[in-house]
Amino acid sequence: AQSVAQPEDQVNVAEGNPLTVKCTYSVSGNPYLFWYVQYPNRGLQFLLKYITGDNLVKGSYGFEAEFNKSQTSFHLKKPSALVSDSALYFCAVRDQDSNYQLIWGAGTKLIIKP
Amino acid sequence: NAGVTQTPKFQVLKTGQSMTLQCAQDMNHNSMYWYRQDPGMGLRLIYYSASEGTTDKGEVPNGYNVSRLNKREFSLRLESAAPSQTSVYFCASRQDIMNTEAFFGQGTRLTVV
Repeated sequence: AQSVAQPEDQVNVAEGNPLTVKCTYSVSGNPYLFWYVQYPNRGLQFLLKYITGDNLVKGSYGFEAEFNKSQTSFHLKKPSALVSDSALYFCAVRDQDSNYQLIWGAGTKLIIKP
Repeated sequence: NAGVTQTPKFQVLKTGQSMTLQCAQDMNHNSMYWYRQDPGMGLRLIYYSASEGTTDKGEVPNGYNVSRLNKREFSLRLESAAPSQTSVYFCASRQDIMNTEAFFGQGTRLTVV
């Protein structure tokens, strides 16, 4: 069965420093991967996706993610964190064995300190 | 462009009461979904509708029913609410079930007492 793991419940980063939010996956077939962000009391917003092609995917708000097939990872990154990046981040993988539903990680709370 | 609209935003129910959560999207998407979000558990799929006229169970369907009323609307019904159904519920839509991203409503915070 497909699965996705976000090994860190919380990540703390100082403003201006680079940030990484980790995601690993397990799929059969080609992985289709997504990152979403959730601000307090809001629905999830799409950040970026990897379907095929370049391993470095660029998305909204200056975020990017690196697909690494050998490590089965899809880590979210940003070169310089902003306080406004503080939110809950979710990684998801498409499950081709269950009618292409999205399987979600448990989420990582990102806290950017001034 | 409103995107995905959910109503109500908040609801308190007594155990055993019923209610329907409404969801509508104006993006002409084919697929619609209902999720629940609980602390530390991410999103869990309750039911989905891959296209108008079809509905299927997700990971946690017990205690819920759904109706895909038309292409725009997908409702979630709790026939007899239980405290275990206290959660935040999200409706989402996608252009199709394959590669496209999902768009989410703002959520319904439901408390069952």
